[in-house]
Amino acid sequence: AQSVTQPDIHITVSEGASLELRCNYSYGATPYLFWYVQSPGQGLQLLLKYFSGDTLVQGIKGFEAEFKRSQSSFNLRKPSVHWSDAAEYFCAVGEGNDMRFGAGTRLTVKP
Amino acid sequence: GAGVSQSPSNKVTEKGKDVELRCDPISGHTALYWYRQSLGQGLEFLIYFQGNSAPDKSGLPSDRFSAERTGGSVSTLTIQRTQQEDSAVYLCASSFLGLGDEQFFGPGTRLTVL
Repeated sequence: AQSVTQPDIHITVSEGASLELRCNYSYGATPYLFWYVQSPGQGLQLLLKYFSGDTLVQGIKGFEAEFKRSQSSFNLRKPSVHWSDAAEYFCAVGEGNDMRFGAGTRLTVKP
Repeated sequence: GAGVSQSPSNKVTEKGKDVELRCDPISGHTALYWYRQSLGQGLEFLIYFQGNSAPDKSGLPSDRFSAERTGGSVSTLTIQRTQQEDSAVYLCASSFLGLGDEQFFGPGTRLTVL
């Protein structure tokens, strides 16, 4: 069965440190992939998406993600975290008419 | 409006009552989605409307849940005979195209069943 896994429920990083949030999936060979962010008290906002082409995708707010077909992963990265990045991050994966969200990773940023 | 709107923002109801949650998608968006977000949980897909096609109801947790979309625009999610486990934030999203397109989310309706 198709699934999306975000292995880390909660991550804490220091401001200025690098960040990587993991996303693994079990879908076919050509999924479409998204990362969304949900800031406190706000709705979900798209950070970036991948459909095809270059496997390294640039998004808003300095985020990027890399699609690795061999590892069935689409990890989100940021080289230097800002306090305003504290939020809940959701990976979403789909194929055809089937799309699912991961359970989310909550990011805490230490000063 | 400029974004997806939902009403009410908060709803407190008693167990056994029916509730209706409303979603106004972005004008021109053909697809509309309902999700449920429980405390500490991810987004649970409930139902998906695409144009004039029959909705994908595969995510509805029980027959107490139903949804309709009138005129291809506004949608109402109805929960009959509410139970305490229905307490959650109900999110609506819309997209210009169908699944695979960027979804724009509303602020959600927080439902509390006492």
